[in-house]
Amino acid sequence: GESVGLHLPTLSVQEGDNSIINCAYSNSASDYFIWYKQESGKGPQFIIDIRSNMDKRQGQRVTVLLNKTVKHLSLQIAATQPGDSAVYFCADVNDYKLSFGAGTTVTVRA
Amino acid sequence: NAGVTQTPKFQVLKTGQSMTLQCAQDMNHEYMSWYRQDPGMGLRLIHYSVGAGITDQGEVPNGYNVSRSTTEDFPLRLLSAAPSQTSVYFCATTKGDGYTFGSGTRLTVV
Repeated sequence: GESVGLHLPTLSVQEGDNSIINCAYSNSASDYFIWYKQESGKGPQFIIDIRSNMDKRQGQRVTVLLNKTVKHLSLQIAATQPGDSAVYFCADVNDYKLSFGAGTTVTVRA
Repeated sequence: NAGVTQTPKFQVLKTGQSMTLQCAQDMNHEYMSWYRQDPGMGLRLIHYSVGAGITDQGEVPNGYNVSRSTTEDFPLRLLSAAPSQTSVYFCATTKGDGYTFGSGTRLTVV
């Protein structure tokens, strides 16, 4: 079965607002997590990753937070833009194998 | 530098037919893998390879064969296609982090 899951299947966000996408994982042995963005008709695109020895990592307009106590990670997107509309997946990695959640569809309102 | 190239992009098969989905990478990554994506679900691991001559099963291997004779190529074979194999197939590679995905093959079995 899936070792990770996302809390909400859809998220509607006003352009310019911040977005927060949540993910819960069940495998406490997972030591590496990745967020992917998938646009229609395309393959998953790497956004940002985080190792289990970290609790926060920042990229360009994105931040990933990891709470190992409650086995939860989140992706924050600052100043959401129309181009951020996509499906977002979290995945955990064990022995090079990715386990994906079902995804959250983000829709940006103009 | 093409990254990960998958062919064909689309394919329709009749039940019982066989075919090979191609995956080629030019990043000299040792690890390659195949995933399938069904509507409303995350990607699920079919088979993976940690290097030339080495393959192993993932979460959903039944009905699929793989081989890895070179670092660059990792073909996925369907010996006798079934409607349950209608899906979008993605190939991915990594050198240890930041997995790179191909653009996918959309397969329909009728």
